[in-house]
Amino acid sequence: TQLLEQSPQFLSIQEGENLTVYCNSSSVFSSLQWYRQEPGEGPVLLVTVVTGGEVKKLKRLTFQFGDARKDSSLHITAAQPGDTGLYLCAGAASNTGKLIFGQGTTLQVKP
Amino acid sequence: DTAVSQTPKYLVTQMGNDKSIKCEQNLGHDTMYWYKQDSKKFLKIMFSYNNKELIINETVPNRFSPKSPDKAHLNLHINSLELGDSAVYFCASSHGGRGSWTLHFGNGTRLTVT
Repeated sequence: TQLLEQSPQFLSIQEGENLTVYCNSSSVFSSLQWYRQEPGEGPVLLVTVVTGGEVKKLKRLTFQFGDARKDSSLHITAAQPGDTGLYLCAGAASNTGKLIFGQGTTLQVKP
Repeated sequence: DTAVSQTPKYLVTQMGNDKSIKCEQNLGHDTMYWYKQDSKKFLKIMFSYNNKELIINETVPNRFSPKSPDKAHLNLHINSLELGDSAVYFCASSHGGRGSWTLHFGNGTRLTVT
């Protein structure tokens, strides 16, 4: 069974701080995605990383795919209250045709 | 313009009842999914349909029966509801299924079984 473990599960920080969320697995994924979910809404895709070692930036968010394509990280610089939400990583398992989700990281950024 | 819409938004019902959740997408995608999100926010796939054909059927009780009348619609019918069925159910769609992994989610249906 392919599993994705996210850490930390909960994070409460002050506006302006930096943070990193980790997504780890013992399995190799063909690609990895990060979604953000706000209360009462469905997850929305932030980024897809495909190549081992790939780094993508989305404004203050930096996403990295591990060299072995088993792990990923999301780094947020100078967090803002608008970054508050549930962050989900999801790995694409090409052999099973499924997208496997991590347990999620709930981020709260206080003004 | 709602891309993936599901109804109802909230569903409160008693144990033993039968209920349905409807989902429609106007993105022209050919693959649709049902996911269940539990109280700990864990999102788990239940079913996937590609062009009206069932391609993923996870270990879900057979009280849950998906139906896809056409590739723009995927409904979920649940028989004999149990307390443990309480969760948020998300419909999603993607273009192409395997190898094309961008999922577009609806806003969820919060099911509460009392």
